[in-house]
Amino acid sequence: SQQGEEDPQALSIQEGENATMNCSYKTSINNLQWYRQNSGRGLVHLILIRSNEREKHSGRLRVTLDTSKKSSSLLITASRAADTASYFCATDGSRNQFYFGTGTSLTVIP
Amino acid sequence: NAGVMQNPRHLVRRRGQEARLRCSPMKGHSHVYWYRQLPEEGLKFMVYLQKENIIDESGMPKERFSAEFPKEGPSILRIQQVVRGDSAAYFCASSPPGGHSPLHFGNGTRLTVT
Repeated sequence: SQQGEEDPQALSIQEGENATMNCSYKTSINNLQWYRQNSGRGLVHLILIRSNEREKHSGRLRVTLDTSKKSSSLLITASRAADTASYFCATDGSRNQFYFGTGTSLTVIP
Repeated sequence: NAGVMQNPRHLVRRRGQEARLRCSPMKGHSHVYWYRQLPEEGLKFMVYLQKENIIDESGMPKERFSAEFPKEGPSILRIQQVVRGDSAAYFCASSPPGGHSPLHFGNGTRLTVT
């Protein structure tokens, strides 16, 4: 399966701390994306990193990509209670379809 | 600019009935994707369509499931003779032409089979 795997499955931190979650995938990619899902809602796109990029920033988000290890990480700095959600990585397939990982459930405690 | 619209939000069907899930992509988007999500799990890719064309249906069960995206109107995911195992949230996403663009998701249809 091309589906990615996020690690850890669940993460609980105090407000203000940083949260790091990882994604591993199996096949070569053109780009990797991170999404967020609040309970009962659809996914929202956070950030896209291309295969020739190693790091990308967007506000409090920092994404890294290591294509040699087929892995990516998402760092959320100075977390807030509103960051509580599930986070998924998605990789693109050969026909521009997208495969999602199993997700990391993040709980930020106020 | 309206986002991806899915309806109904909730759908209850008895075993053996048919379920029709609708998805209207964002304006200007010609690519539609359907995903299934079971509680506490990730999204499973089902099918990827462009207007009047199925690009990849490798994630669709071989029987009872079908999808279409006609020239006019919404994309439809159809499940015939539903069984309890079909109970899940079904999400639709769309993207503009060209590929490799972020997906825009609807809020899903929650199907319950009784």
